[in-house]
Amino acid sequence: GQQVMQIPQYQHVQEGEDFTTYCNSSTTLSNIQWYKQRPGGHPVFLIQLVKSGEVKKQKRLTFQFGEAKKNSSLHITATQTTDVGTYFCVRGTGNQFYFGTGTSLTVIP
Amino acid sequence: DSGVTQTPKHLITATGQRVTLRCSPRSGDLSVYWYQQSLDQGLQFLIQYYNGEERAKGNILERFSAQQFPDLHSELNLSSLELGDSALYFCASSVEGTGANVLTFGAGSRLTVL
Repeated sequence: GQQVMQIPQYQHVQEGEDFTTYCNSSTTLSNIQWYKQRPGGHPVFLIQLVKSGEVKKQKRLTFQFGEAKKNSSLHITATQTTDVGTYFCVRGTGNQFYFGTGTSLTVIP
Repeated sequence: DSGVTQTPKHLITATGQRVTLRCSPRSGDLSVYWYQQSLDQGLQFLIQYYNGEERAKGNILERFSAQQFPDLHSELNLSSLELGDSALYFCASSVEGTGANVLTFGAGSRLTVL
């Protein structure tokens, strides 16, 4: 279908540990976006990846787009309590945006 | 403040009733999207409007309808409400109506059906 699958669904980490969420699609993606939703908040855009094999960094966050443009990952180095929230990858196609199933990150102080 | 305004923030109503949720997009954005987020669920795409015209439909029930007005604000109408319609309804806007754009979300309208 149109949805992209994310794993894991939930992740609990100790503060300072690394965290990775993976996004997989059965079809080739024209682009992939990542959004973060804090508890009780609304989704906020983080980044967009367009090119095959693209890697982008935002401070402790590293985003990758697979060579085949069918998967993507978000890696957070040395998590902090401010990283708590649900991370969604989003498939943008035509006129529509399809949100992945999301990974909920809990950071234990 | 994202620039996308949604009202009301909270709404409690009974089964069988009808409600209207309102969204004002960010200044300059022509496209409006509606999403439904149930408890512990992802975001389900409902419908998209671009400059007053319906552009795309997702998993929107027949009991739900929407429109975008000439001033670009949008309304989502939910009728014959059921308990399962309780959810957070988000509106998002973008400059254009393509999947390459960035979505800016409002704070959402939390609907509780009793």
